[in-house]
Amino acid sequence: AQSVTQLDSQVPVFEEAPVELRCNYSSSVSVYLFWYVQYPNQGLQLLLKYLSGSTLVKSINGFEAEFNKSQTSFHLRKPSVHISDTAEYFCAPWSRGSYIPTFGRGTSLIVHP
Amino acid sequence: SQTIHQWPATLVQPVGSPLSLECTVEGTSNPNLYWYRQAAGRGLQLLFYSIGIDQISSEVPQNLSASRPQDRQFILSSKKLLLSDSGFYLCAWRKTGGTGELFFGEGSRLTVL
Repeated sequence: AQSVTQLDSQVPVFEEAPVELRCNYSSSVSVYLFWYVQYPNQGLQLLLKYLSGSTLVKSINGFEAEFNKSQTSFHLRKPSVHISDTAEYFCAPWSRGSYIPTFGRGTSLIVHP
Repeated sequence: SQTIHQWPATLVQPVGSPLSLECTVEGTSNPNLYWYRQAAGRGLQLLFYSIGIDQISSEVPQNLSASRPQDRQFILSSKKLLLSDSGFYLCAWRKTGGTGELFFGEGSRLTVL
């Protein structure tokens, strides 16, 4: 079964600073990779995904993540954060053929003015 | 387009009372359906998932149950609520045979007093 580790439970950062949220998973065999974002009192929304092809994937609001097969990582980055990026972020690898999604414990990104 | 709705959005119930949370998906057929619980705003605990009508798997033993009376309807129930059942409940669906992306409802916040 797939497992996932989000090393940082909370990441405080100042507005306009860069940020990296780390994610490591257990196996790269037949895996799709997802990052979800959850704003307060809302459900999760897909932020970006890696299915195949280019290892660098980007979201419409400036986030990007890179699939690193050798390190089994899928870290999320943004070069300059906004106050509105304050939210909970979940990394979710999914093994093809599995019915059960796997979610990390989440990283709370807190952007200070 | 596909949509997912869950209700009620907020619920305050006394200990020992029954519970019914409903989730409906529109615009797709034979989805995989999921119920998650999120306690204290952190982490996602998978409670139940269903790959078809009357096909429900339980991931965590507890006093909750789930039913899928129709293809796109998923219900979470309890006969007698416990204080520990308080939390944020999320329904989600995934396209059968898809890439693993989950689509979440808006969430239901349950407070047991």
